[in-house]
Amino acid sequence: EIVMTQSPATLSVSPGERATLSCRASQSVSSNLAWYQQKPGQAPRLLIYGASTGATGTPARFSGSGSGTEFTLTISSLQSEDFALYYCQQYNNWPRTFGQGTKVEIK
Amino acid sequence: EVQLVESGGGLVQPGRSLRLSCTASGFTFGDFAMSWVRQAPGKGLEWVGYIRSKANGGTGEYAASMKGRFTISRDDSKNIAYLQMNSLKTDDTAVYYCTRGSGWTDSWGQGTLVTVSS
Repeated sequence: EIVMTQSPATLSVSPGERATLSCRASQSVSSNLAWYQQKPGQAPRLLIYGASTGATGTPARFSGSGSGTEFTLTISSLQSEDFALYYCQQYNNWPRTFGQGTKVEIK
Repeated sequence: EVQLVESGGGLVQPGRSLRLSCTASGFTFGDFAMSWVRQAPGKGLEWVGYIRSKANGGTGEYAASMKGRFTISRDDSKNIAYLQMNSLKTDDTAVYYCTRGSGWTDSWGQGTLVTVSS
C-alpha cells in the first residue's frame, strides 16, 4: 500500500497570503495525484487531478505541481472560504490512499 | 447536475449487517465506476472500494481491511450502487460517502452515518 504523507499538519496563514501544502508518496505515483478540500460537515470537493489539472469550478488561485513522489498544492492568495482541510490522494495503485490532511487555519 | 444520494445508514450492533444505497442522477450511471469512501469521526478519508462499469467487467476492488466483509454491487437499471457490509465492527463506525469514479472522484454524496455499537 502506498503511504501518502502530508505536511504540515496545520498551516496558519493570514488572508491574502500564499499557502503551500506538501504531499509525499512512499513510492512513485506518476502524476496520478488528486487534491480535495473539505469543510466541516461537508463532503470533500475535488480541486486538482492529474497533479496539476484544475477540476471544474476550481478557482485559479489553486494550483498543483509535482510528479513521482513529491507534490505541492499552492493557494496563491488565501480567501476566507479557503480555510479548510486539504487531502491529497493517489490513484496510481490499488488501494487508493489519502494523506492524513493539512488544516489551513486563519493566523 | 450530478447528484449522489446515500441512504441506509444508522445504528447497528457489532457482528450484524447493513446495506447502504447510493442513488445517482444527472449522468449516464452505467458508464462510470462507482466508489465508496468512509471517514471515521474526526479522522481522515479511507477508500473502501469501487465497482467497475459493466463495460469494464463490473467487478470490484476493496481495501484490505474490508475485503471479504464488504461487497459493492450496482443496478444500472435503477441508477443505484450498493455497499453491503457484513460482520460489522466498532471500527467501521464512519460517514460513508458514495463517489463517482475509481481514480480521482469529481462528485460526492452528502454521506450517511453508520454507527456500530452495542
